[in-house]
Amino acid sequence: DTAVSQTPKYLVTQMGNDKSIKCEQNLGHDTMYWYKQDSKKFLKIMFSYNNKELIINETVPNRFSPKSPDKAHLNLHINSLELGDSAVYFCASSQDSGNTIYFGEGSWLTVV
Amino acid sequence: KQEVTQIPAALSVPEGENLVLNCSFTDSAIYNLQWFRQDPGKGLTSLLLIQSSQREQTSGRLNASLDKSSGRSTLYIAASQPGDSATYLCAVFYSSASKIIFGSGTRLSIRP
Repeated sequence: DTAVSQTPKYLVTQMGNDKSIKCEQNLGHDTMYWYKQDSKKFLKIMFSYNNKELIINETVPNRFSPKSPDKAHLNLHINSLELGDSAVYFCASSQDSGNTIYFGEGSWLTVV
Repeated sequence: KQEVTQIPAALSVPEGENLVLNCSFTDSAIYNLQWFRQDPGKGLTSLLLIQSSQREQTSGRLNASLDKSSGRSTLYIAASQPGDSATYLCAVFYSSASKIIFGSGTRLSIRP
């Protein structure tokens, strides 16, 4: 069983569209994250959720919004996509915010 | 400003050699430090986690050390194998800000 799963793995879409990436973890962890890895492979945290409460928002544009229906899911919604949003987006989870982080396989987003 | 740096950005060594990857951080008030491995097109896999009170952690052929006073961590890989080829990232967790900062990674290539 995949511990952290995210869908879709690949997404190609046009500028201005709205898209979502889903994430689910079956580890029973309390904290989930979204990371963005840019073309230079630099990984930067976007959001983290702990027990359905947002505890980090790293100054990402408000076009990006995390949605957590329950502690096993943290979906990423992106409105009005821009070319610069093209990147790999990783979902992750940990037991709490100071423990080992488990990553999903990534979602490759290309905005054309 | 809290920064995490990994040097070199890329490293190529022949199979069988022992090697050391470096990670440095500017703010020594860390909670823990984690080393990850990322294979091409994949997510990150946690290798070792060192708590701020620890000096080192070992897992198989891997040994990670932590020197908070100098702001450094090293990942030692013994008897390298072609399967060790990947990008290795370190990440520093600062509990005061619930912030995780990743280095840009070292791309390791082991030549058969």
